[in-house]
This record gives sequence, structure tokens and C-alpha cells, in this order.
Amino acid sequence: AQTVTQSQPEMSVQEAETVTLSCTYDTSESDYYLFWYKQPPSRQMILVIRQEAYKQQNATENRFSVNFQKAAKSFSLKISDSQLGDAAMYFCAYRRTLTTSAGNKLTFGGGTRVLVKP
Amino acid sequence: GAGVSQTPSNKVTEKGKYVELRCDPISGHTALYWYRQSLGQGPEFLIYFQGTGAADDSGLPNDRFFAVRPEGSVSTLKIQRTERGDSAVYLCASSLGGYTEAFFGQGTRLTVV
Repeated sequence: AQTVTQSQPEMSVQEAETVTLSCTYDTSESDYYLFWYKQPPSRQMILVIRQEAYKQQNATENRFSVNFQKAAKSFSLKISDSQLGDAAMYFCAYRRTLTTSAGNKLTFGGGTRVLVKP
Repeated sequence: GAGVSQTPSNKVTEKGKYVELRCDPISGHTALYWYRQSLGQGPEFLIYFQGTGAADDSGLPNDRFFAVRPEGSVSTLKIQRTERGDSAVYLCASSLGGYTEAFFGQGTRLTVV
């Protein structure tokens, strides 16, 4: 079974600074997807960024970028120019590509709380 | 609708009671997922519907939990004989197909007292 581990329960960053969130995962598969989701106090999970394992290039979305190290099974998220609105829980998630009936089932890590100081 | 809608937003029930949680997916989305998020943890998969049928119910913890989606749209998660350990946020997500991006609702916070 796949597992996703986030070792940082909480990270604090000064507004306009950069913070990096860590994620490691365990899988025996060679092709899969990785995601970072943001969960504000409203509880709704919002997709921040996704990475296909077969792509060597790291994904970027505006101020958000990832460092995908496939051999090390590591998938970190960098938030640049942090804003007050970035404060939330962040979850790393894994999804298989080869599937019979699993569909879009996601396996999540335990989350990292990001605090942004003005 | 514009997004995934879950009702009620919050539910408090007594131990041993029966509860139903409702999920209204985005119109036209054939895939629907239920997840459970315990306090301080990440969401855990419960069940996946493709259309009306449960394609994967491997995450349901025991036979007190059951979910239906009779017309391939709205889904109801049913919990019998609730226990305090069932207290959690129950999240629903839907996607256009089985492998496209899933959109989440705001969840139902269930508290069993």
C-alpha cells in the first residue's frame, strides 16, 4: 500500500518570505501523480499543484513550485513571496495512474500547518 | 451546481443514533468520493462511486457505514449506531470522470456525544 508522510506538523514564515514543506512517499509503482492541497479553515480542499511522475520537469503554479526527487521519493512544496492568505493546512497526496476501479482515489499525508506572520 | 455541496455543515448526534450525510456533486460529474478526516489528520478514503455503483468501497471501516448514490448524482453516507470514534469531518469530492481533477465540498463535521 502507498503511504505519504509529512514530517513537519507546523511551519512559520514571515510575509513575503519563502517556506518549503516536505513530503515523502512510499510506492512500488513507477508511474503516479503527486499533489499538494490547501485546506483553509473553511475545510474545503483546494488543489495547489500537481506533478506527473513521468515528467522530469518540476511543476510550477505562480508562487508555488515543487521539487520532485523520484529516486528519493520526495516531493516538497515551495511557497515564494508568502501572503497572509497562504495560511492554512497543506496536504501532500498520491494517486495511482494504473487502476482498474480505484479511480481518482487519493492517499493523503498528515498535513503541515503554515502560519504567515505579518 | 457551482460546486460540491454537503449538508448539513455540522451535525451533533448522540452515541448509538443513526445519521445521514448528504453530498450534492457538481452537475455532470460521474465520479464521487467520500473521505473521512479525523482531527489533526489527513483525509482517508472511504468509498468511490462511478455513476450509481460503488466501484471501490475498500475504505469503509465496518458494516455500520454505508453509502448510496441511487440516481448517479446525490450521494448519502449513512452511519448506524454511531460511536464517539466516528466524530470527524466527512468530505465529499466529485470529478468529471474517474481520472480527472476532483473538486471537494466543505465537509460535514460530525460530533458524536
